[in-house]
Amino acid sequence: DTAVSQTPKYLVTQMGNDKSIKCEQNLGHDTMYWYKQDSKKFLKIMFSYNNKELIINETVPNRFSPKSPDKAHLNLHINSLELGDSAVYFCASSQDHQYEQYFGPGTRLTVT
Amino acid sequence: TQLLEQSPQFLSIQEGENLTVYCNSSSVFSSLQWYRQEPGEGPVLLVTVVTGGEVKKLKRLTFQFGDARKDSSLHITAAQPGDTGLYLCAGAVSLNFGNEKLTFGTGTRLTIIP
Repeated sequence: DTAVSQTPKYLVTQMGNDKSIKCEQNLGHDTMYWYKQDSKKFLKIMFSYNNKELIINETVPNRFSPKSPDKAHLNLHINSLELGDSAVYFCASSQDHQYEQYFGPGTRLTVT
Repeated sequence: TQLLEQSPQFLSIQEGENLTVYCNSSSVFSSLQWYRQEPGEGPVLLVTVVTGGEVKKLKRLTFQFGDARKDSSLHITAAQPGDTGLYLCAGAVSLNFGNEKLTFGTGTRLTIIP
């Protein structure tokens, strides 16, 4: 059984488009995250939610809007995509903010 | 903003050799984690160290947290091809209301040559 799943695995789109990435965890965790990993493999936190409440919002452009319909899901919607948004986006979850984080397989976003 | 510098950035060694990866910062962390990431996958936690000076062993991997909780090292003995991957350290910083935030290091890409 997949613990943290993301869809799609790959996403290729043109500048200016709007796209969404979905994340689901079946671990019963309370906290979910979105990270961005750039071409140099640097992994940076974007958002975290605890029981559907936004906890961390790391100076991310407001074109990025996370949505948590329930504590098992955290989706990421991106408006007006730019070339610089190209990266691998990882979803993760943990029982609490202080515990081990379980990562999804990543979504490779390519903006052309 | 906390910055975690890892060294070396790239390391390629022969099977059977020993190696050490370093993770350094000027910031103090409440705990420090090490992850390994393989191509096309997300990072997987290897260990968490909490106390200054703490040493943890995971088979051939030895992790140490610095006394001042600002740095850490990962030592691998008799490296094997299965150890190949991207190693990431991550320091935890306390936020309000018991929440924490992980700041990831710059990464070390390790290749073990059979």
